[in-house]
Order: sequence, then C-alpha cells, then structure tokens
Amino acid sequence: GAVVSQHPSWVICKSGTSVKIECRSLDFQATTMFWYRQFPKQSLMLMATSNEGSKATYEQGVEKDKFLINHASLTLSTLTVTSAHPEDSSFYICSASENTDTQYFGPGTRLTVL
Amino acid sequence: QQQVKQSPQSLIVQKGGISIINCAYENTAFDYFPWYQQFPGKGPALLIAIRPDVSEKKEGRFTISFNKSAKQFSLHIMDSQPGDSATYFCAASYNQGGKLIFGQGTELSVKP
Repeated sequence: GAVVSQHPSWVICKSGTSVKIECRSLDFQATTMFWYRQFPKQSLMLMATSNEGSKATYEQGVEKDKFLINHASLTLSTLTVTSAHPEDSSFYICSASENTDTQYFGPGTRLTVL
Repeated sequence: QQQVKQSPQSLIVQKGGISIINCAYENTAFDYFPWYQQFPGKGPALLIAIRPDVSEKKEGRFTISFNKSAKQFSLHIMDSQPGDSATYFCAASYNQGGKLIFGQGTELSVKP
C-alpha cells in the first residue's frame, strides 16, 4: 500500500514552454500533497503544500505564478512549471499523506529545459 | 530553529559493519522523526520513524536511537550490505500532517 506515482518520469522541453507534472496517490486518499525540488547531491527543498480543494501554500522564495499547483481531488495534484527556463531544470518530487505525519514519496520527475 | 543538522555527509562502511548516521534538531516542538532512503534517480522511501515518547525503535536491520534531552537522533544499520548503498535523509515535523524539515543527507557506500 501507500503508493504514489508521478507522470512523466522525465521530460525535456524548450525554454519558454510550460510543463505539467502529475502526482497521484494510487491506494489512499491524500488530504495533503507536497511538492519538492532536488538538485544533484542536495537535500529536498519543499516548494509548496497543497490540501485538496484549497489553494497551495508556497514556501518563501518560491514563485507561485511560475509554479502552479492544483490539488483538485484526493488522489491527484499537478505542478505546472510555466515559461520554463534552463535554471528550472531539476528533479521534482511529490509526496502525499493521508491526514497523518507519514509522507509517501513519488518516484520523481526529471525536468530538463533546453 | 527549523533546521535539522545531519552528519556525516558521506560514509564508507565494509560489508557486515554498522552504519551510523546522526541528526540534531533545535525545535522542541518536533514530534515526528522519520528516516528516508533514496537511490539515485528515485524518490525517497520511508525506512523507519520514531516519536519522542520512545528512546529506540527497531525494524529489521534498521534502528533509530532517540535522545530527547540532547535533541539528537540516529540511524543504525546493522550488518550493512552493498545494497544499502544510497543516500539517507533524516527529517522532523510537528503538527500532524505538517511539513517535513530534512537534514542535508548522508551518502552511504557499503564496500563488499
């Protein structure tokens, strides 16, 4: 149990385009989902927290107009990177929790912006 | 005060040995302390977690030791195997369902 999927697993896009990443909880209802980014050899950096049906709460320094987060259902959250640039290239990971402390992580999405 | 400090940054252990990774925190409001294992190119996977009301928790070869007064906790991997080679992250949170504060990570290499 407690499986979280992400799609796509990797994506390459041109500078200026937008990219959408999906995060799904497959066997539980995720009341809260979190989005992280991770640079090579570094820790996970929380970008935002989203609760189903509510607006996401963004961490300080994260541009909410650039990283659009939608948590429309208890099993799906999406992260859209708008007008992506090379510096947005990173490993994006979501996690989900079912009203508990435990967060289950997805496999991650590798974004490369050319 | 929200930081979780993890050490060492990297660790090399011989097969069969004990791997020990340490974490320290400042915020006494933290009440949940998980450890995650991450392989290259993959998302973190929950290994084991502990709450401040116990001093030790063991699951298979993995043990968390927790020292509330010192505000420290550690992960012990007994009989370390080459397949344990990965990056390990400690974390802490408070308020059920709250965000996790991650340590900096420890890259473990177990030599055969």
